[in-house]
Amino acid sequence: DVKVTQSSRYLVKRTGEKVFLECVQDMDHENMFWYRQDPGLGLRLIYFSYDVKMKEKGDIPEGYSVSREKKERFSLILESASTNQTSMYLCASHPGGGRGYGYTFGSGTRLTVV
Amino acid sequence: SQQGEEDPQALSIQEGENATMNCSYKTSINNLQWYRQNSGRGLVHLILIRSNEREKHSGRLRVTLDTSKKSSSLLITASRAADTASYFCATALTGANSKLTFGKGITLSVRP
Repeated sequence: DVKVTQSSRYLVKRTGEKVFLECVQDMDHENMFWYRQDPGLGLRLIYFSYDVKMKEKGDIPEGYSVSREKKERFSLILESASTNQTSMYLCASHPGGGRGYGYTFGSGTRLTVV
Repeated sequence: SQQGEEDPQALSIQEGENATMNCSYKTSINNLQWYRQNSGRGLVHLILIRSNEREKHSGRLRVTLDTSKKSSSLLITASRAADTASYFCATALTGANSKLTFGKGITLSVRP
């Protein structure tokens, strides 16, 4: 089975800190995604990547950046953390090519910015 | 923007009953998918139905898709307490590769 591993389950950071959320998948998937999930808002796409060194903005990219230097790793960066970025962050991967597969999600990182 | 809208927002049933959840969407899609999320965890893919399919089964799950009404339903038969979770529909738009847009989710509670 594909595994998507997010480096931390819980994280507490201070306002203004630079925060790195790491995501690694082990099945050579082309596509990787970062979502945030908030009560009443569902999942919202922050950034995604269809290939190494490639990135595209999702619906809510402001305040975030990403890095994909290797195919298996997709990092989400909060340049200067703010309290409104307190959320559950979910990473997902997909084989790509429009194939009829679902996403594989990591277990999530619950980030609290104080 | 939210493409999928689930209905109802919350559902409470007795163990053994069937649970029906609905999803409506706005634009043409390539496929529609349903996911389950247990409390505080990541999402798990349940089933995918393509735009040219009308019904699909997987174990106790049955999904239907009506592209003329832009709607889908997920039926869980003979529900169990372990089915208690949040359920999300997600749509892949035509020509948008695999990018998915998720609804806000339905909270299902199955009482033992």
